[in-house]
Amino acid sequence: EAQVTQNPRYLITVTGKKLTVTCSQNMNHEYMSWYRQDPGLGLRQIYYSMNVEVTDKGDVPEGYKVSRKEKRNFPLILESPSPNQTSLYFCASSLGQAMSPLHFGNGTRLTVT
Amino acid sequence: GEDVEQSLFLSVREGDSSVINCTYTDSSSTYLYWYKQEPGAGLQLLTYIFSNMDMKQDQRLTVLLNKKDKHLSLRIADTQTGDSAIYFCAESWGYQKVTFGIGTKLQVIP
Repeated sequence: EAQVTQNPRYLITVTGKKLTVTCSQNMNHEYMSWYRQDPGLGLRQIYYSMNVEVTDKGDVPEGYKVSRKEKRNFPLILESPSPNQTSLYFCASSLGQAMSPLHFGNGTRLTVT
Repeated sequence: GEDVEQSLFLSVREGDSSVINCTYTDSSSTYLYWYKQEPGAGLQLLTYIFSNMDMKQDQRLTVLLNKKDKHLSLRIADTQTGDSAIYFCAESWGYQKVTFGIGTKLQVIP
């Protein structure tokens, strides 16, 4: 089944403790992206990647890192999480062509205390 | 500028039509989309319209685009309880950058 898989689904952590949210897709998609969803703000793009070893900042990249060492994986790294990073995070991928729909994972709900 | 605006909430009775509205600010947008988010899930593409089209129909869904007013709407005919979800309007200029609205929560009353 074609899908984008994120792990974990839920994560509670404390300020400053490094964490990684994994994202994997099995559709051989070129393009991958991370979004955060917050009430009243919709989805905001954190980082995106157009291919292996090619990443770029989205609208809200501060406090986050990503890597794209393989085509299928695009982990999101929070080196020193803070409470303002408490949010619902979505990974998405697409073929990377004009009018390629985004395929979303089911989300990771992160709470930083 | 890049801004997509939607109302927050819409309530309709089962069997009625739902109309969800969206305004966008960038007239150079190439594609406009509607995504649906069900509880506990990610977004799923419902339909899209290319910027040189005025209307697109797909079964119960009708998308209308008014380029002059930068207004996009999604009409759902014969709304069912399974249509209860959050609907996101989005615009893009290519695949790299997609800007989403804040989402409209549709509540269908049985």
